[in-house]
Amino acid sequence: AAGVIQSPRHLIKEKRETATLKCYPIPRHDTVYWYQQGPGQDPQFLISFYEKMQSDKGSIPDRFSAQQFSDYHSELNMSSLELGDSALYFCASTLRTVGETQYFGPGTRLLVL
Amino acid sequence: ELKVEQNPLFLSMQEGKNYTIYCNYSTTSDRLYWYRQDPGKSLESLFVLLSNGAVKQEGRLMASLDTKARLSTLHITAAVHDLSATYFCAVDGQGGSEKLVFGKGTKLTVNP
Repeated sequence: AAGVIQSPRHLIKEKRETATLKCYPIPRHDTVYWYQQGPGQDPQFLISFYEKMQSDKGSIPDRFSAQQFSDYHSELNMSSLELGDSALYFCASTLRTVGETQYFGPGTRLLVL
Repeated sequence: ELKVEQNPLFLSMQEGKNYTIYCNYSTTSDRLYWYRQDPGKSLESLFVLLSNGAVKQEGRLMASLDTKARLSTLHITAAVHDLSATYFCAVDGQGGSEKLVFGKGTKLTVNP
């Protein structure tokens, strides 16, 4: 079965640089979520999109922005990167019906030097 | 603010033993999820619990939900080394939001 695809899988950036993370949800899923997981931490919700519209926003820094495109893929744009942005970034997708779980992608490991 | 608490946070157990992980949450919620995560890997969905009294089992893992007590349990039966991982419970956010609020996770180590 198709899973959530994320790219790149690993990314190394310098402080103050920008990064773009991409997410391709499971086909026919209409909702995408982004989560950030620091080392040894639980995942923290950043932002979500339902049918290409932003549906909820969590603890996402103003330096970050995201969007969902017409083909349902989503991109997380991160600017002025800081050391503390180093983390695993997960995208998850779901079909917004009762009982549907969120399926997580493999994650992008971002290291800011 | 929705809070999700798991305990224990660390669990070391012998193969063949049974144990239970607990997950408490602070407000009413529609759904409770259990995920497994291996080091540096993604989160694998284990169970989705939708209603009071729901019980689901898969292999050596069984999850239950008591919405009145706002408590879910993940019971491990006759543990094997392959179950070593971090287990997270998560709850839907408030106000119809479907974002997940996670517990801190339980790091399970099963020793031979």
